[in-house]
Amino acid sequence: EVRLVESGGGLVQPGTSLRLSCAASGFSFDDYAMHWVRQVPGKGLEWVSGVSWNSDRLGYAGSVKGRFTISRDNANNYLFLQMNSLRAEDTALYFCAKDKLPSIAVAEAFDYWGQGTLVTVSS
Amino acid sequence: QSVLTQPPSVSAAPGQKVTISCSGTSSNLGNNYVSWYQQLPGTAPKLLIYDNNKRPSGIPDRFSGSKSGTSATLGITGLQTGDEADYYCGTWDSSLSAGVFGGGTKLTVL
Repeated sequence: EVRLVESGGGLVQPGTSLRLSCAASGFSFDDYAMHWVRQVPGKGLEWVSGVSWNSDRLGYAGSVKGRFTISRDNANNYLFLQMNSLRAEDTALYFCAKDKLPSIAVAEAFDYWGQGTLVTVSS
Repeated sequence: QSVLTQPPSVSAAPGQKVTISCSGTSSNLGNNYVSWYQQLPGTAPKLLIYDNNKRPSGIPDRFSGSKSGTSATLGITGLQTGDEADYYCGTWDSSLSAGVFGGGTKLTVL
């Protein structure tokens, strides 16, 4: 059974940092690209970032480029999102999602999702 | 403002058919595959359609997808009250070098 479990969310002040983690199990983690997608409660989905199976290709939404860094640990089946210079508009539920393919920017299709971790940026 | 455009809401009676449209441009839908997701209240999104018209295992054939040019459509037949959810289209945008979603469509089964 595929499982994606996010952690690391919380309440932080503007300008600070947070690191999200996603523990993956039930599939060959290093065969697939992985992504972060966020959703403000009551609003739509926003793709945040993606990383190919071997980390040779990374992608970021314009709204987070230069502030967020995606990475993965294939040895231990983890996906990470380092979030710096957080802003109030980064407040959202952050989902970890598995791609159907090894690379990003091919045919984005997220076939498994975690339940999300809530990030709240407020003073 | 979402890169892909979806109607905010659609509705139909149980047993009927409904379609949800997704409109984009040549840099996204025009040159990349579309996927569709169903999000029931309080849950994570679920993949319904990928590569324009393929269904993952376990998704009933009541759900179908199509794409023509810069537009895509999700069709749902034999509507059930359990289909009430938000539906999103998604693809890659080659100009933005980013994944993009539609704003979502709320389906009401009257």
